[in-house]
Amino acid sequence: KAGVTQTPRYLIKTRGQQVTLSCSPISGHRSVSWYQQTPGQGLQFLFEYFSETQRNKGNFPGRFSGRQFSNSRSEMNVSTLELGDSALYLCASSFSGQGVSIDTEAFFGQGTRLTVV
Amino acid sequence: AQKITQTQPGMFVQEKEAVTLDCTYDTSDPSYGLFWYKQPSSGEMIFLIYQGSYDQQNATEGRYSLNFQKARKSANLVISASQLGDSAMYFCAMREGGIASKIIFGSGTRLSIRP
Repeated sequence: KAGVTQTPRYLIKTRGQQVTLSCSPISGHRSVSWYQQTPGQGLQFLFEYFSETQRNKGNFPGRFSGRQFSNSRSEMNVSTLELGDSALYLCASSFSGQGVSIDTEAFFGQGTRLTVV
Repeated sequence: AQKITQTQPGMFVQEKEAVTLDCTYDTSDPSYGLFWYKQPSSGEMIFLIYQGSYDQQNATEGRYSLNFQKARKSANLVISASQLGDSAMYFCAMREGGIASKIIFGSGTRLSIRP
């Protein structure tokens, strides 16, 4: 079956602009999580959506937002981009994303590499 | 608070040798899951192996095995017979058992396999 698909793969934006990233999870998966990866901070959790509801949120400013659609596809939006937002943004899908079992194993997409200039 | 520690920023290993990547964790939740992921230069995180806190036996997946020592809160990844394609970043991660728990990651270990 198809894996997690993130689009676009690469993006260059100017400071102050906004950007929307997309993630299509594995078919049947209802949980989608977003992570930011930078060399300095490593992998940091942004938020998780389950059945169109935000279920958990990391410590990021309000400029970072997301949503999930009825088909489980998710979008992440960053407004008023700053240079420090340059990062690899990874999306992960899992069957339930709840509790601890192999069902909560997260499958990741290839990421969107965002560069803010 | 949950925490994952990987103390080896980088490792060099000769091809065909076994390698152990260290991971220690901290959590107060008795129910948790531990994961290892591989991230090649392409950026994608590839799931390798899973260990549940209540699992009695160490997890194994092909050449990967997880040396789970619950009392020491350690979950080391062992790769047997390393291959050139194993060169990548490796991340240890944990999810606690509560509703809406998130996966947290360690800082990673860059593994380089020498021919």
